[in-house]
Amino acid sequence: DAGVIQSPRHEVTEMGQEVTLRCKPISGHNSLFWYRQTMMRGLELLIYFNNNVPIDDSGMPEDRFSAKMPNASFSTLKIQPSEPRDSAVYFCASSLTGGNERTFFGQGTRLTVV
Amino acid sequence: DQQVKQNSPSLSVQEGRISILNCDYTNSMFDYFLWYKKYPAEGPTFLISISSIKDKNEDGRFTVFLNKSAKHLSLHIVPSQPGDSAVYFCAARKDSNYQLIWGAGTKLIIKP
Repeated sequence: DAGVIQSPRHEVTEMGQEVTLRCKPISGHNSLFWYRQTMMRGLELLIYFNNNVPIDDSGMPEDRFSAKMPNASFSTLKIQPSEPRDSAVYFCASSLTGGNERTFFGQGTRLTVV
Repeated sequence: DQQVKQNSPSLSVQEGRISILNCDYTNSMFDYFLWYKKYPAEGPTFLISISSIKDKNEDGRFTVFLNKSAKHLSLHIVPSQPGDSAVYFCAARKDSNYQLIWGAGTKLIIKP
């Protein structure tokens, strides 16, 4: 298996623009997580899906952020409109169970909003 | 409120010596602890874990110690190798709760 695949690897956008990050989890995994990593706050869980259903989105910063998982093999994280403070590395991760004992991360998308 | 704390942002250790990375937590309900390792431009990868019913778990050069009374765990790497240079994240999970709570990470630098 190729692991968790994220795209793009890098994204530079202007403030106010819409940004969409994409993720393909490991085949067979039923849990998917979106994380954000910043120097100040470390790794933060934004949202967790189980069997394509959002279970907890309490980590989503504000209404500008939204995430979808239309099927078991694809998820998106959208920021609209983007702001400079959204600049961070966004990781997608998947696991077989919700217990996170073996959570596999993608390589991340480095987002820069100028 | 940070429930999982890694108070050392960075640590520098001579190659061949022991590296000790520390992690403190505040929630006594945590029942499972994990260490992840992260190289630049890559996602974190699972390294080693320990259940709250144990106080030690060993895997090759890596050993994790858990002191429940002190709410403290540590990762020992011996001997340290240049390839161990990375950021190490401590994470904890509550019983019946799916979510991992992460520390801020410690950057380990192994000097040749």
